[in-house]
Amino acid sequence: GQSLEQPSEVTAVEGAIVQINCTYQTSGFYGLSWYQQHDGGAPTFLSYNALDGLEETGRFSSFLSRSDSYGYLLLQELQMKDSASYFCAVIRAGNMLTFGGGTRLMVKP
Amino acid sequence: GAVVSQHPSWVICKSGTSVKIECRSLDFQATTMFWYRQFPKQSLMLMATSNEGSKATYEQGVEKDKFLINHASLTLSTLTVTSAHPEDSSFYICSARDRTGPNYGYTFGSGTRLTVV
Repeated sequence: GQSLEQPSEVTAVEGAIVQINCTYQTSGFYGLSWYQQHDGGAPTFLSYNALDGLEETGRFSSFLSRSDSYGYLLLQELQMKDSASYFCAVIRAGNMLTFGGGTRLMVKP
Repeated sequence: GAVVSQHPSWVICKSGTSVKIECRSLDFQATTMFWYRQFPKQSLMLMATSNEGSKATYEQGVEKDKFLINHASLTLSTLTVTSAHPEDSSFYICSARDRTGPNYGYTFGSGTRLTVV
């Protein structure tokens, strides 16, 4: 089966940097994705890592270590609008996504 | 970018009735669409994979006779919740991937909040 573990909640202040970790166990691993979801909204794609290393997209970066079955999402220069839930998701055979439990990020002024 | 349109955005129905949810890929062809269910403050759980022109593949524990999926064209997939009960109340979301896109990002519909009373 598949399982993904990530912290349930993280709190940080505006302007800070926060890292959300994700460990996974899965068969047929293709890559690790990150999605953002605001309350009542649909998930939106943030990043994808298929190979080891760091991918940077503006204020957001994502890292993957396939040997450690581990990845993280790094959010820099936090803004109030970044308050949302963040999900790591494994892409597996059949192009199916399996989501982690989600991390609720609260950004305080 | 790729857009998936989902309707309705919310629906309230009486227990025992059926509800149909539609998902359309607006500017790309989606041979495969995925249907998820999300309970409040929980993760997205994959219900089924919808394949154009063939039967859907359901995840373990999902009743195929209760959640009917039809994917009659490359741009339209529907989920029908039959004989709905209050425990079916949830947020239902579809997603698809534009294979011509630059990355492995999946596009999600805006979701349908179903309340069964």
